[in-house]
Amino acid sequence: DAEITQSPRHKITETGRQVTLACHQTWNHNNMFWYRQDLGHGLRLIHYSYGVHDTNKGEVSDGYSVSRSNTEDLPLTLESAASSQTSVYFCASSESIPDTQYFGPGTRLTVL
Amino acid sequence: DAKTTQPPSMDCAEGRAANLPCNHSTISGNEYVYWYRQIHSQGPQYIIHGLKNNETNEMASLIITEDRKSSTLILPHATLRDTAVYYCIVRATGANSKLTFGKGITLSVRP
Repeated sequence: DAEITQSPRHKITETGRQVTLACHQTWNHNNMFWYRQDLGHGLRLIHYSYGVHDTNKGEVSDGYSVSRSNTEDLPLTLESAASSQTSVYFCASSESIPDTQYFGPGTRLTVL
Repeated sequence: DAKTTQPPSMDCAEGRAANLPCNHSTISGNEYVYWYRQIHSQGPQYIIHGLKNNETNEMASLIITEDRKSSTLILPHATLRDTAVYYCIVRATGANSKLTFGKGITLSVRP
């Protein structure tokens, strides 16, 4: 069955380190998204992509970057991890029609 | 995207129907109503969406008022596994396909 996976599921890192979170989907969806979820803020959009080599900033993109070299993957990179980036990160994908987003299981990131 | 208003929480008995309300009084003509839910520690899960007609799938039914200013998600026979946060989201489809999640409504299904 087609699916969307995230790795690692849990990560502990130190302030200042570069961290990359992986997202892989097998639906061949054009659209992919990264969200973070924190208590009191709900889900907030970090970056999104509408296709290979396309990337766009969401509402909380500072300190994060993405690149889309193929349809299946959209890795999220924290250039220099900060404690404020401790959060649960969700990846999602969708096809344009129907425009329904399907979410991965999440990655819990702790920055010490 | 138009703003939605949901009560913070509700509960229902297992086996009974759960009716989750949502107000979206500023919805535009091209905006759909989407419902997602998030079970504790899991990623959000798509439930259903609609434009103006009532919709039903294997998970739920969506009832949208004629003026489209409010809607109700119906889980016909709630189970304990339906305990989750339910998000009502209003958005247009197409190139700008971002979802904006509010606080949602916490549904607690009691035995």
